[in-house]
Amino acid sequence: EPEVTQTPSHQVTQMGQEVILRCVPISNHLYFYWYRQILGQKVEFLVSFYNNEISEKSEIFDDQFSVERPDGSNFTLKIRSTKLEDSAMYFCASRVPSDRAKGGYTFGSGTRLTVV
Amino acid sequence: GQNIDQPTEMTATEGAIVQINCTYQTSGFNGLFWYQQHAGEAPTFLSYNVLDGLEEKGRFSSFLSRSKGYSYLLLKELQMKDSASYLCAVAAYNQGGKLIFGQGTELSVKP
Repeated sequence: EPEVTQTPSHQVTQMGQEVILRCVPISNHLYFYWYRQILGQKVEFLVSFYNNEISEKSEIFDDQFSVERPDGSNFTLKIRSTKLEDSAMYFCASRVPSDRAKGGYTFGSGTRLTVV
Repeated sequence: GQNIDQPTEMTATEGAIVQINCTYQTSGFNGLFWYQQHAGEAPTFLSYNVLDGLEEKGRFSSFLSRSKGYSYLLLKELQMKDSASYLCAVAAYNQGGKLIFGQGTELSVKP
């Protein structure tokens, strides 16, 4: 079964440093997302991406965040200057509307970001 | 506004049946998902309902009533490995396709 692949699985970074979280969505999927989950809290939407541009972003997704699909396969989330409160699990997801079996959505296994 | 409510935690006995309820109020609706999540792991897909009624898949069933903004997940023949968090999420496809998640219900299955 096709998978959404995320790397790294765990990243530790110092406050103020830039981090890039990487995702390889499923190849025929059209919509791409980033979500985050702070420990003990609910999964929160960050941003959706379609047709090489952001289609929606949440209040969390401020100027410190950016997304790119640089080469047609990778989908990256960059945090420019990390803060302690950015520590969370970050999940990438991709979607194709024709996949009714799973509602079209596939999540990656996540990157645990720890800011120290 | 967007609001999804589900109980914070539930406890049940191995072999029993448990029903986890979810109510939602969203400005768009294109289906409701149930996911299972073990601590530190990604959500695992369980079910997707877009029409009213019951969807059955082995030990798991999910029900949707769009007019009532209500869904439940039914787990039968509970096993210890079913101890996990169960997430209700609404697809708001007219808003870029995002999923709006509830807080999750932490289910503890006891012997």
